[in-house]
Amino acid sequence: SAVISQKPSRDICQRGTSLTIQCQVDSQVTMMFWYRQQPGQSLTLIATANQGSEATYESGFVIDKFPISRPNLTFSTLTVSNMSPEDSSIYLCSVRGRLQGFDNEQFFGPGTRLTVL
Amino acid sequence: AQSVTQPDIHITVSEGASLELRCNYSYGATPYLFWYVQSPGQGLQLLLKYFSGDTLVQGIKGFEAEFKRSQSSFNLRKPSVHWSDAAEYFCAVDPSGGYQKVTFGIGTKLQVIP
Repeated sequence: SAVISQKPSRDICQRGTSLTIQCQVDSQVTMMFWYRQQPGQSLTLIATANQGSEATYESGFVIDKFPISRPNLTFSTLTVSNMSPEDSSIYLCSVRGRLQGFDNEQFFGPGTRLTVL
Repeated sequence: AQSVTQPDIHITVSEGASLELRCNYSYGATPYLFWYVQSPGQGLQLLLKYFSGDTLVQGIKGFEAEFKRSQSSFNLRKPSVHWSDAAEYFCAVDPSGGYQKVTFGIGTKLQVIP
């Protein structure tokens, strides 16, 4: 399976600040996604990170609030901007389509647990 | 509208009892189907998947799931539950056949009592 690491694993932030979460995969993948899991909820897709172009955002999520970068096939970042307590969630990086794996599984990172005070 | 439904939000079973978690989807064609498990404070782990072929699929940790096209269902089963199975279980669907993101159901929280 793909091994995905996320940094930081958790953070406590003040409202109005921004946090950038990093996602690193151990192999090249075609697709990278960012999900949010609010307390006691299911996973909601924020956006698909596209290499070399702007991310594709789901309804209800905008680039100004959640800017995403994907400079290559193994790395992506998600920034949560101008945070409020409502942004307190677990943010998960997910990948699919390993170039060397020829599989269709979707793998998930361990998540970043964010608390906004 | 396309959706994934897990009708049971919470389920409580006794250790050693059998388990069935329900999942229904509403898509035009047969999607790719997955079950994930999330233990408290942990990430998501893939239990099993169905792409095509045999409709009864075996997964890790003694779990299996059966795809029933006529019922648009993909229910997860385990014959004998262990206390360590207490977790949240998510059914997930990819309607595109492997080329898009996976959409998740709301999840079923499993409690196991001695």
